[in-house]
Amino acid sequence: QKEVEQDPGPLSVPEGAIVSLNCTYSNSAFQYFMWYRQYSRKGPELLMYTYSSGNKEDGRFTAQVDKSSKYISLFIRDSQPSDSATYLCAMSANNAGNMLTFGGGTRLMVKP
Amino acid sequence: EADIYQTPRYLVIGTGKKITLECSQTMGHDKMYWYQQDPGMELHLIHYSYGVNSTEKGDLSSESTVSRIRTEHFPLTLESARPSHTSQYLCASSELRQGIGELFFGSGTQLSVL
Repeated sequence: QKEVEQDPGPLSVPEGAIVSLNCTYSNSAFQYFMWYRQYSRKGPELLMYTYSSGNKEDGRFTAQVDKSSKYISLFIRDSQPSDSATYLCAMSANNAGNMLTFGGGTRLMVKP
Repeated sequence: EADIYQTPRYLVIGTGKKITLECSQTMGHDKMYWYQQDPGMELHLIHYSYGVNSTEKGDLSSESTVSRIRTEHFPLTLESARPSHTSQYLCASSELRQGIGELFFGSGTQLSVL
């Protein structure tokens, strides 16, 4: 069983929709949770991160962590065609950035 | 935009050839990494470095080797390429920002071994 599970998609939504992307994990030591966005033929870039449980909001993006359920989510409000990308969750037990465990990514397509 | 560069972007090569994938960053980061990414699969760490003359193997076994002679340069070498090495290779560096180590990735090298 993989340490981090992520639905590969693809997820296709119309412009303006609310998108929910999710990951589940099995390692209870994970404390730092990140979402990376990867455009086609580019490397991933950090979109958001949270520490431990709770919510974090940044513009149209909200990251949620439920450590009791070992479940994290990324919500995108008012989705735009420019949001079309692969979204990778990543997590680690420390904040050093060197021992991240990544999900396989969810490919999102937002249609105009 | 991250200042981390990988060359070549695409490489098609025959079995048995020696190849070197180049990675350079201009941000002065001490920590650098090589990840392997197959379509729809997780990124797997194959090598990392905490500074000059420091190299470690990651959690995914790889026949490649790395060197870190200069802070800004972290090349990856395969002595004898095989079809099983076909994959995308991503180089990254990291910096502690707002309490978290943020990874900055290059655009990757897509390697195809025939």
